[in-house]
Amino acid sequence: KNEVEQSPQNLTAQEGEFITINCSYSVGISALHWLQQHPGGGIVSLFMLSSGKKKHGRLIATINIQEKHSSLHITASHPRDSAVYICAVNVEGNKLVFGAGTILRVKS
Amino acid sequence: SAVISQKPSRDICQRGTSLTIQCQVDSQVTMMFWYRQQPGQSLTLIATANQGSEATYESGFVIDKFPISRPNLTFSTLTVSNMSPEDSSIYLCSVWNTHNYGYTFGSGTRLTVV
Repeated sequence: KNEVEQSPQNLTAQEGEFITINCSYSVGISALHWLQQHPGGGIVSLFMLSSGKKKHGRLIATINIQEKHSSLHITASHPRDSAVYICAVNVEGNKLVFGAGTILRVKS
Repeated sequence: SAVISQKPSRDICQRGTSLTIQCQVDSQVTMMFWYRQQPGQSLTLIATANQGSEATYESGFVIDKFPISRPNLTFSTLTVSNMSPEDSSIYLCSVWNTHNYGYTFGSGTRLTVV
């Protein structure tokens, strides 16, 4: 079993829809990260969470430490949100363990 | 956050040759990481590059295959040696930002070995 599990693996949405991507982890962590990877391969850090909830524009990230679960929400989705969204956790020494990623496609 | 310039962005190489990937950071950073992302897979840590000492490699990765240099706090290189088609992947560098406790990633190098 992977230490970080994401669901769904693939997600297709219509423009304007509310999107949720889930991440569960099985190890002790110091922080959880949501990352966005575009087709060229580059990665952008969206959020770093250790508790509670963070919001940036149309993106919202939440984490429940007791349940070892985090969600990334996208409100009013747009085709430019199409990307791979990756959940990663800090386990030790600033090392990251990554989920397999969720491929999101938003259709206009 | 730090800004990273990673080069080359992509390359097609012959088997048996070597490719060196560079990452230049616009500020001094203590910790720099090198990752591999095989096709359809998530990222796997290759090694942590330490300034002034040898890199720390993860299980399954060895210095002879992936030599790393870190001559100062703003620059590092990863070499993929004696390449085979199985080395075809995206390679990314990343740094830990002590200012905001977050990570910055390079733009990635898409390597194809033929």
